[in-house]
Amino acid sequence: DTGVSQDPRHKITKRGQNVTFRCDPISEHNRLYWYRQTLGQGPEFLTYFQNEAQLEKSRLLSDRFSAERPKGSFSTLEIQRTEQGDSAMYLCASSLTGVGNIQYFGAGTRLSVL
Amino acid sequence: QKEVEQDPGPLSVPEGAIVSLNCTYSNSAFQYFMWYRQYSRKGPELLMYTYSSGNKEDGRFTSQLNKASQYVSLLIRDSQPSDSATYLCAMSAGTGANSKLTFGKGITLSVRP
Repeated sequence: DTGVSQDPRHKITKRGQNVTFRCDPISEHNRLYWYRQTLGQGPEFLTYFQNEAQLEKSRLLSDRFSAERPKGSFSTLEIQRTEQGDSAMYLCASSLTGVGNIQYFGAGTRLSVL
Repeated sequence: QKEVEQDPGPLSVPEGAIVSLNCTYSNSAFQYFMWYRQYSRKGPELLMYTYSSGNKEDGRFTSQLNKASQYVSLLIRDSQPSDSATYLCAMSAGTGANSKLTFGKGITLSVRP
């Protein structure tokens, strides 16, 4: 069990560029969540998948954000036309239904938009 | 008013102290409660998980949940410098469709040797 893996760990980009992050959940975990955490705040929910189906999206997830989980395994989160306000830590978590839905987090991708 | 309020920090204590961290919540639909520990520039790490009112103990850590009064707390006994981190309370309304976590703001704890 290698835990939740996120890549890259740190991304620096210029305003207006597109970025994509990847999350590999714990193997056999059927649920995958994305959260965003800004400095001094707790994580905020963005979206979640059960297998390949995206079941819920937060109002925080503007139309510049899109997430996919094509085969129910890894997931990608893309931000188009990045803005300085997108600078944050993007966290991925996974869980297994039927086990209290305990969510295990990855180390996160820190995005800096210049 | 935020759904989850966590005592503001930061908090600095000497090694060996007993530390109590508290969260209150306003959404009575919350049923599952967690405490996560987050070291600087790392992801949150699960410490405690509970869904029943009362106390749950794991080593030096005890979580206390009171659903009637809508608060949850984490007690750390014999605190160690390695406990220096940010502590986040989190809760969800279910394990199915309502499984997303709502977090408190977090409190940064520093344990002085």
